[in-house]
Amino acid sequence: EVQLVESGGGLVQPGGSLRLSCAASGFTFSDHYMDWVRQAPGKGLEWVGRSRNKAKSYTTEYAASVKGRFTISRDDSKNSLYLQMNSLRTEDTAMYYCARITRIEGVYNYFDYWGQGTLVAVSS
Amino acid sequence: DIYMTQSPSSLSASVGDRVTITCRASQNIGSHLNWYQQKPGRAPKLLIYTASNFYSGVPSRFSGSGSGTEFTLTITSLQPEDFATYYCQQSSTAVWAFGQGTKVEIK
Repeated sequence: EVQLVESGGGLVQPGGSLRLSCAASGFTFSDHYMDWVRQAPGKGLEWVGRSRNKAKSYTTEYAASVKGRFTISRDDSKNSLYLQMNSLRTEDTAMYYCARITRIEGVYNYFDYWGQGTLVAVSS
Repeated sequence: DIYMTQSPSSLSASVGDRVTITCRASQNIGSHLNWYQQKPGRAPKLLIYTASNFYSGVPSRFSGSGSGTEFTLTITSLQPEDFATYYCQQSSTAVWAFGQGTKVEIK
């Protein structure tokens, strides 16, 4: 059974840092691209960023709203995905989900599994 | 960046109704369009991928169509468990984007 379990959320002051983790199980983690998606309270889904797999040199992508402040990394030996968040702002307050990407023929992509999310609150 | 616009933002419908949600992309995205359902307090779930393909276990009352810049999600006979928020999402470019969501409420 595929499972994604996020952790590391909490309350942090503006300007502070936080590191989220996503522990994966039930599939070959190293094969998959993995993303972070967030959802502010009462708002819609916002794509945050991506970690590609080893075959794609672990390259990353970021939304403009977090570029330069957030860093995505992974440790395939631990089946884990990470989101290092620096210079946090009140508008970063959200539930943060990790999500697995499945790719069809290397062209079509979708999120087929999501974690339950971890809540980040940025407030003084 | 590609922007996704859904309409309507919300709708009220009754059990048994046919419901259609539209999603428009700011640029041509071919068939790189997915649909998700989210219920309060839960993570989203995949319904439709590549515009019109059913994900495993999704009831056949859900269907997707469209290509290029205009897409639709149709629920042919709304069931009580379908009251939720629905999101489209483009995967055409390296930077992905979601629509703002359509909340389907009970009339």
